[in-house]
Amino acid sequence: DGGITQSPKYLFRKEGQNVTLSCEQNLNHDAMYWYRQDPGQGLRLIYYSQIVNDFQKGDIAEGYSVSREKKESFPLTVTSAQKNPTAFYLCASRNRDSGALYFGAGTRLSVL
Amino acid sequence: GIQVEQSPPDLILQEGANSTLRCNFSDSVNNLQWFHQNPWGQLINLFYIPSGTKQNGRLSATTVATERYSLLYISSSQTTDSGVYFCAVPTDSWGKLQFGAGTQVVVTP
Repeated sequence: DGGITQSPKYLFRKEGQNVTLSCEQNLNHDAMYWYRQDPGQGLRLIYYSQIVNDFQKGDIAEGYSVSREKKESFPLTVTSAQKNPTAFYLCASRNRDSGALYFGAGTRLSVL
Repeated sequence: GIQVEQSPPDLILQEGANSTLRCNFSDSVNNLQWFHQNPWGQLINLFYIPSGTKQNGRLSATTVATERYSLLYISSSQTTDSGVYFCAVPTDSWGKLQFGAGTQVVVTP
């Protein structure tokens, strides 16, 4: 099936630990995005990538890092510098022709 | 930056009722998207609608770009329509989107 796969569904982080969230897509989309959603709120952009080996900071990039070594993959690392990481993280990719955005099922990150 | 406002923030419907959700945006845009987030968090793209009207089953959307608003209509609502509805508009040519705060919809049997 074509789509966006995020893993894991649930993740727990200890103090001072870096954790990496996986996002893989087989839609052949060039552009990929990471959003953060806090309870009862909308989505805020963390990082985005328009093409392999290139990515840009979004509105709330501090404490996060990404890489884009392959078209299909856009992992997000939540570093120890992110002091309030508990949130729902959503990965998306964009169809260049239609402009429509498609989302993965999300990863819920909590702090132990 | 561009502001996106959605109303109402919350909506409770009896199954079978119709409703209208509104999305206002502060600047000219060349497209607008509506999404539905189900209770498990999955976001589904409902409409990509720069202007005019589109229909998909019991849902339809209308965007009046010149007046900077879009409407999402839910007809004959079902409990599976529950969730949060977001609209989003682009903030640049690279596909960055600004999301509204969402409308929480609860459809009761």
